[in-house]
Amino acid sequence: EAAVTQSPRNKVAVTGGKVTLSCNQTNNHNNMYWYRQDTGHGLRLIHYSYGAGSTEKGDIPDGYKASRPSQENFSLILELATPSQTSVYFCASGEDWGGAYEQYFGPGTRLTVL
Amino acid sequence: GEKVEQHESTLSVREGDSAVINCTYTDTASSYFPWYKQEAGKSLHFVIDIRSNVDRKQSQRLIVLLDKKAKRFSLHITATQPEDSAIYFCAASKNYNQGKLIFGQGTKLSIKP
Repeated sequence: EAAVTQSPRNKVAVTGGKVTLSCNQTNNHNNMYWYRQDTGHGLRLIHYSYGAGSTEKGDIPDGYKASRPSQENFSLILELATPSQTSVYFCASGEDWGGAYEQYFGPGTRLTVL
Repeated sequence: GEKVEQHESTLSVREGDSAVINCTYTDTASSYFPWYKQEAGKSLHFVIDIRSNVDRKQSQRLIVLLDKKAKRFSLHITATQPEDSAIYFCAASKNYNQGKLIFGQGTKLSIKP
């Protein structure tokens, strides 16, 4: 069973503070992704990675950094959190299998920036 | 940039009827179109996809149609059941094995008894 876990599941941060969201996958997938989900916007890609040591900017990278220290772990870092970053964040890992490409999503992290 | 528009924000159908969710995309280079389902309070999971080399794909009660000329694709759920109630997201990508997806806004499907 594919498994993607995220921590913390809920986080309250103060404006200007640093926030780190962590993601771990046991699927041995090369590709990992960070999305945020907001009502009316669906999911938007923030950063992604093709393997350990690599990070790429997604569609909305401003205000976020990413780190992929190993195959299993992918972190999203908010150096100076702002209220506009209040959202639900999803991590996913992806694999190409038999002609389909499936992303496996973690349970999500609800972040509130006050 | 590329956009994916999901036309119905909410949809309600009677149990046993069919539900249709429509999406359009802007980038003619898009070649891969997956659908994801999010049940209440849960994360997303993959349900079905279609690639641009075909115009129809079926998996049990799910049918995906692709009209490349109109840049439109749709998810048909036949013989709907209560467990089909969820938010459905369409997405598009130019390179399916890179997985860089552009998602639609989501359609909340409710199945009425």
